[in-house]
Amino acid sequence: GAGVSQSPSNKVTEKGKDVELRCDPISGHTALYWYRQRLGQGLEFLIYFQGNSAPDKSGLPSDRFSAERTGESVSTLTIQRTQQEDSAVYLCASSSPYDRGHRVGLYGYTFGSGTRLTVV
Amino acid sequence: QKEVEQDPGPLSVPEGAIVSLNCTYSNSAFQYFMWYRQYSRKGPELLMYTYSSGNKEDGRFTAQVDKSSKYISLFIRDSQPSDSATYLCAMSVWGGSEKLVFGKGTKLTVNP
Repeated sequence: GAGVSQSPSNKVTEKGKDVELRCDPISGHTALYWYRQRLGQGLEFLIYFQGNSAPDKSGLPSDRFSAERTGESVSTLTIQRTQQEDSAVYLCASSSPYDRGHRVGLYGYTFGSGTRLTVV
Repeated sequence: QKEVEQDPGPLSVPEGAIVSLNCTYSNSAFQYFMWYRQYSRKGPELLMYTYSSGNKEDGRFTAQVDKSSKYISLFIRDSQPSDSATYLCAMSVWGGSEKLVFGKGTKLTVNP
């Protein structure tokens, strides 16, 4: 697609329920990232995918958080047994390390509009 | 101490003013420095991207990096109401996952 698409845009869930957030990256982007943005805070890194493997999961805050990616396509972030402190905007970004032979990496980062999760 | 510190503001200026935004950082391994702009309920969009030290200019925007002081700045000249947004600095090291470490963001309002 033309940009990074995230769904749902808003999600309200009850404490203790599981939620799934979806990210559809830009076609051809091999790298995919999940970040979390809590109110008044900067973005916090959660997990990085290169293709369908996740070489860096260091930002996942607890074992209630997991993510997977199908090939170089859609990724799903799952939060189990949600807690009120999980309320945040979850942002996905994709990038391609190279563009026509030139290394672009960070320059090519494109973010989606995020999923606003509210746990009540 | 957080790896990246940024004054959250808010910052309010009249149209046409020069705006100065800055961040400090503690990790000397950072080599890539970026400024993102984020409008309300939107994802961040890349404004400026600098590798290592030096200045970079793009239209009304100038980014400066001083690695010796671990300090980066973004200047906006002739500010416009459409510049009203939250500005986030972000940094990364070479290689690895190229994950970004962000400041908290500075909320800027440019008043017509």
